[in-house]
Amino acid sequence: DQQVKQNSPSLSVQEGRISILNCDYTNSMFDYFLWYKKYPAEGPTFLISISSIKDKNEDGRFTVFLNKSAKHLSLHIVPSQPGDSAVYFCAAKTGGGNKLTFGTGTQLKVEL
Amino acid sequence: NADVMQNPRHLVRRRGQEARLRCSPMKGHSHVYWYRQLPEEGLKFMVYLQKENIIDESGMPKERFSAEFPKEGPSILRIQQVVRGDSAAYFCASSPPEGTYGYTFGSGTRLTVV
Repeated sequence: DQQVKQNSPSLSVQEGRISILNCDYTNSMFDYFLWYKKYPAEGPTFLISISSIKDKNEDGRFTVFLNKSAKHLSLHIVPSQPGDSAVYFCAAKTGGGNKLTFGTGTQLKVEL
Repeated sequence: NADVMQNPRHLVRRRGQEARLRCSPMKGHSHVYWYRQLPEEGLKFMVYLQKENIIDESGMPKERFSAEFPKEGPSILRIQQVVRGDSAAYFCASSPPEGTYGYTFGSGTRLTVV
């Protein structure tokens, strides 16, 4: 039962362009969402998060959008840089809970 | 990620042996979480511990797996009688008492069962 889905296993973008990574969820009890970035042989690194009371959160080149009615969120990276090449995981949690439910990840490749 | 220390980084065990994975949380963090990543999958929650207490073990397999976080020392994830299907990357994360808005993950232990 995959409650958090990232349907694109990979994405290739040119340097300087926008990268858009998508995530869908099925559990309506999720109320906090996070994006993590992971390089090979390292643990995931927290990037940005959003509460369900908001529809947008921005931090530098990273913006997360949340569409609660569609149970969909997206991560925008602009401009994309080669160092952004990594696997990006979407994660979700319910209020008061400490357990994160992760998607399967999207491999982003930013090409020169 | 280096502030959450996991060791060993790589562990090879023969089928039937025991595997012990260690995790030292960041300084000041009293909450520890273990996740497993199987090939081609996302991270799956296994267990959440505080010092001397298991808070949520809903993701732990019913048999062969156990976890502890003693008053002194690192958290230990123990897998008895390992099987090939246990081969995975095991990640530990920690957080401070006041919340889990963005765990800090360690670099993981890659377990290979041969």
